[in-house]
Amino acid sequence: QVQLVQSGAEVKKPGASVKVSCKASGQTFSTYFMYWVRQAPGQGLEWMGMINPRSGATTYAQKFQDRVSVTRDTSTSTVYMELSSLRSEDTAVYYCARDRDGSGFEFDYWGQGTLVTVSS
Amino acid sequence: QSALTQPASVSGSPGQSITISCTGTSSDVGGYYYVSWYQQVAGKAPKLIIYDVSKRPSGISNRFSGSKSGNTASLTISGLQAGDEAHYYCCSYASGSTWVFGGGTEVTVL
Repeated sequence: QVQLVQSGAEVKKPGASVKVSCKASGQTFSTYFMYWVRQAPGQGLEWMGMINPRSGATTYAQKFQDRVSVTRDTSTSTVYMELSSLRSEDTAVYYCARDRDGSGFEFDYWGQGTLVTVSS
Repeated sequence: QSALTQPASVSGSPGQSITISCTGTSSDVGGYYYVSWYQQVAGKAPKLIIYDVSKRPSGISNRFSGSKSGNTASLTISGLQAGDEAHYYCCSYASGSTWVFGGGTEVTVL
């Protein structure tokens, strides 16, 4: 079955960068678009960006355009999200997600989430 | 992009039907038939319950239904059950190959 397994919790200082991984199994990696969504404590979901694993093409939310980078390693079926210039407001659970059928319009499978805490 | 607008909370008694609205613009909800809805229980990852405005993934109860009119999408839960208590989020594909979520609605079963 499809599984998305994310890396563990991180604690970072303001101004630092964080890189979260998401390893996919049970699927043909390059077939499905992959997304990153975050959720601050007690807040709603926020779409950050996506990658086409086949081509490596990415799209980012305007809010994160200058600070986020989503990459993939097809040899390990892993997608990465790196967020730079961290500030306290970036404290959140970061989720990776996969689209339902390769067409890329909804998020069907989700990782378990990775808590990133930004604190001095 | 601005978040889609959802009511903060909706409540209903067991067996009743409730509807959650999700209002956007012509650049997102009104412009595409790619509205999806997610159910999130505290501490868990979201779960897809509706896609393409009104379609249900395999395994999702037919008590959940979706619709859209203009810039507003709606999720209806019929035959409300205690297990439906959760936060519900709408999401729409938007211009520029981006996605935007609603602020979320907390559903309480009285």
